[in-house]
Amino acid sequence: AQTVTQSQPEMSVQEAETVTLSCTYDTSESDYYLFWYKQPPSRQMILVIRQEAYKQQNATENRFSVNFQKAAKSFSLKISDSQLGDAAMYFCAYGGRTSYGKLTFGQGTILTVHP
Amino acid sequence: DVKVTQSSRYLVKRTGEKVFLECVQDMDHENMFWYRQDPGLGLRLIYFSYDVKMKEKGDIPEGYSVSREKKERFSLILESASTNQTSMYLCASSPVQEVETQYFGPGTRLLVL
Repeated sequence: AQTVTQSQPEMSVQEAETVTLSCTYDTSESDYYLFWYKQPPSRQMILVIRQEAYKQQNATENRFSVNFQKAAKSFSLKISDSQLGDAAMYFCAYGGRTSYGKLTFGQGTILTVHP
Repeated sequence: DVKVTQSSRYLVKRTGEKVFLECVQDMDHENMFWYRQDPGLGLRLIYFSYDVKMKEKGDIPEGYSVSREKKERFSLILESASTNQTSMYLCASSPVQEVETQYFGPGTRLLVL
């Protein structure tokens, strides 16, 4: 069975600074996807960024980028130029290509952004 | 934009009551999912469906059932609610051409007394 671990229950960052959220996973599959989802307070969960395991290039979406280390089974999220609106719970998730879209989520990391 | 809606944001029920949580998506997605979210545990999959009238158990199906009579609607049923089912329930959907990317509803916070 796949597992996803987020070892940082809470993180904080100053506005305009950079923060990195950690995620590790365990799987025996070779073809899979990894995701970071954002859940703002009292608002809908939204997809932040997605990485396909067969792609060596790290995914980037504006101020959000990942550091995907397949051999180490590590998938961290870097948020640059942090904004107040980045404050949220962030979930790392794993999806096997043969899993009918089933995702396994980590425990979540609460990110606080200080003005 | 994909829209996933859930019938209630907050719900209070008594132990032993039958509870229905409804989820509707408007993007013709084939796959639909029900999760529960608990502090320190993240999201755990209860049931999912990849087609009308099809359902598959997730990681924690005990105490729950589901119904998918129409493509756009996926219902989660608590046959006899218990206090340990107090939680946030999230519905999600995804299209068959991109099954792993899920779109979430706003969630229903259920309190069972």
